[in-house]
Amino acid sequence: EAGVTQFPSHSVIEKGQTVTLRCDPISGHDNLYWYRRVMGKEIKFLLHFVKESKQDESGMPNNRFLAERTGGTYSTLKVQPAELEDSGVYFCASSPFFGTGSYNEQFFGPGTRLTVL
Amino acid sequence: GENVEQHPSTLSVQEGDSAVIKCTYSDSASNYFPWYKQELGKGPQLIIDIRSNVGEKKDQRIAVTLNKTAKHFSLHITETQPEDSAVYFCAALLFSGGGADGLTFGKGTHLIIQP
Repeated sequence: EAGVTQFPSHSVIEKGQTVTLRCDPISGHDNLYWYRRVMGKEIKFLLHFVKESKQDESGMPNNRFLAERTGGTYSTLKVQPAELEDSGVYFCASSPFFGTGSYNEQFFGPGTRLTVL
Repeated sequence: GENVEQHPSTLSVQEGDSAVIKCTYSDSASNYFPWYKQELGKGPQLIIDIRSNVGEKKDQRIAVTLNKTAKHFSLHITETQPEDSAVYFCAALLFSGGGADGLTFGKGTHLIIQP
C-alpha cells in the first residue's frame, strides 16, 4: 500500500512569489492534516480536514495560507505571497476515520522543504 | 492550548547502552501520547504510543512511561543500535469523542549512537 506522498520534495522561491504544495493521503483515509516545522523548532499543527471539510484550522498562521481538499482526496496548501518566515518543512499526515470515539495513527509523508529567499 | 517540552535536544550514547528522552506537557486533559522517529529524508513514523489510562507500555527494546500526576512521559530505548540514530519527537493530544485533532509536538531529540 502506498504511503502519504507529497510534492514537491523541495521548493525554493523568492519572497512575494506563490507556492502550492500538494499532499496525496493514503487511499481511503478521510482525515488529512498539515503540519509545519520551522528550523530547530517543534512540528506545529496547521489544519485538519475530514474528507473535504475543514475540521480545525486554528494553526494556520495567517490569511496568506490557503488549504483546499476538493473532492476529499488530495489536498493543496498555497502560500501567497510567501514571506521569509514561511521557510520550513511542511508535512502532511493522514489517518482513517472510523467514526467519533476512535483515534487512529497519523501517517506522515516525507515533507516538502520550502525555502523563501 | 497544550505545550510540550522535550529534553535533551541532543543525546549521544554508546552502542549497546540505553537512551532516555523526557517530555512534559501542560494540559492535564491530554490523554494520548505518541512517540515518532524521523530518519533523514523521511517523515515522522510512529514507534510507540500510550494512553492516559496506562502507566507503561513496552515493545521489544522500546518502552514508554507516563506519570499523569507530574504530566511527564519518557521514551526508553535499551541495547541501542546504529539504526536507532534519528530525531525523536514526543507529542500529546486531547482526544475527545468528536474525533482526532492535531498533535502538539516537542522540539525533537537528535539521538546519536556512537559505535
